[in-house]
Amino acid sequence: NAGVTQTPKFRVLKTGQSMTLLCAQDMNHEYMYWYRQDPGMGLRLIHYSVGEGTTAKGEVPDGYNVSRLKKQNFLLGLESAAPSQTSVYFCASRTGGTGELFFGEGSRLTVL
Amino acid sequence: AQTVTQSQPEMSVQEAETVTLSCTYDTSESNYYLFWYKQPPSRQMILVIRQEAYKQQNATENRFSVNFQKAAKSFSLKISDSQLGDTAMYFCAFIPGTYKYIFGTGTRLKVLA
Repeated sequence: NAGVTQTPKFRVLKTGQSMTLLCAQDMNHEYMYWYRQDPGMGLRLIHYSVGEGTTAKGEVPDGYNVSRLKKQNFLLGLESAAPSQTSVYFCASRTGGTGELFFGEGSRLTVL
Repeated sequence: AQTVTQSQPEMSVQEAETVTLSCTYDTSESNYYLFWYKQPPSRQMILVIRQEAYKQQNATENRFSVNFQKAAKSFSLKISDSQLGDTAMYFCAFIPGTYKYIFGTGTRLKVLA
C-alpha cells in the first residue's frame, strides 16, 4: 500500500535553480494538493487539482507551477528557486466529497 | 475570511493524564467537516478524528474525543490517558466548501513520562 509518494524527500538548491517535486497516488483520488509547511504558519495551500488536466491556485501560488497530466500524478515546479521557498512540502490527495486527506511523507527543500 | 485559530502553540501533559487542545474557526457556511491531524516527529500527517458539522453528537475515536460547539465555532480535542506516543504537533482543520481545507498553525504537544 504505497498511498501518496513524494520524490525527492530532500533537496538542496542554489538560488535561481529549477526543480520539480513529484507526487504520485495509487488510490484513484480525484483531488490532489500541494502544501508548504513553515514554522508557526501551519500548512498553506500552494496549488490544487480537482481532476486530471485541471489545476487551480491556492493561498501562496507565486513562484510555483503545477501540472496534472495523469490522474495519479501531481507535479510541483520551481522555475527559479529563492531562499523564501525553503520549506517542507507536502502533497495530499482525497476522494470527492469531504473525505480524509491522505498525505505524503513530505519533501524538505533548502534553497541557498 | 475563513480561518482556523489554535491559540496554544505548545502544551505539555503528564503520561496517563487528560489534555484538551483548543481550536476555533470562522466560516459563513452551514455545512462543513472538521478534522484533527497529528504530525509526529516522523513528519507524517495522520488523521486523528473527524466531525461532520450537521451532526450534533461529538465524534470519538478510542482515547480521542472532540467537543464541538457549532454556535461558538469551537472544536476542541480531548486526549485521555495520554501516552508518550501522543507527543506530536496537532493541527485543526476544516473544509468549508468542496475543495480547500483550512489549517490552523498547530499545537505542539509533549507528553511527559
